[in-house]
Amino acid sequence: TQLLEQSPQFLSIQEGENLTVYCNSSSVFSSLQWYRQEPGEGPVLLVTVVTGGEVKKLKRLTFQFGDARKDSSLHITAAQPGDTGLYLCAGDSGAQKLVFGQGTRLTINP
Amino acid sequence: KAGVTQTPRYLIKTRGQQVTLSCSPISGHRSVSWYQQTPGQGLQFLFEYFSETQRNKGNFPGRFSGRQFSNSRSEMNVSTLELGDSALYLCASSLSRWPTGELFFGEGSRLTVL
Repeated sequence: TQLLEQSPQFLSIQEGENLTVYCNSSSVFSSLQWYRQEPGEGPVLLVTVVTGGEVKKLKRLTFQFGDARKDSSLHITAAQPGDTGLYLCAGDSGAQKLVFGQGTRLTINP
Repeated sequence: KAGVTQTPRYLIKTRGQQVTLSCSPISGHRSVSWYQQTPGQGLQFLFEYFSETQRNKGNFPGRFSGRQFSNSRSEMNVSTLELGDSALYLCASSLSRWPTGELFFGEGSRLTVL
């Protein structure tokens, strides 16, 4: 069974700080996606990374896919209260289904 | 365009009952997948349908079933409900099957089993 482990599970920081969330697995994924979920809503796709070593930037968010395609990270610069939410990584195992990590619940305090 | 619509949004059932949840995908999307979300287990894949055919199934007991209609709308059914079935059930639609495209999630149906 392919698993994705996210760390930390919970993170509470002050506005303006930087943070990094990790998504790790012992398995190789053909692609990896990051979603953000806000209370009462479904997850919304932020980015898809498909190439080992790939780095994608989305405003203050930087996503990286590990060279071996087994891990990924999400870095947020100068966090804002609007970044608060549950961040989920999801890997395409190639078996035609997505495997999700447990999520990182991020709280940005004003 | 309209997003993914799930009904009902909230429901309460008792052990032993059965429940049917509905999902209307984004117009033109033919792939519909279902996920169970709980605080302890996170998001777990239930099944995926494409053109009325179940293409993949997760590791859930046979009490969990689903179907897709010709208009791509999908339903999932859980029979003989157990307390552990309490969860947020999310439906997601996508334009293509695989490789993985963007999944568009609905707001979910929150099921509470008493």
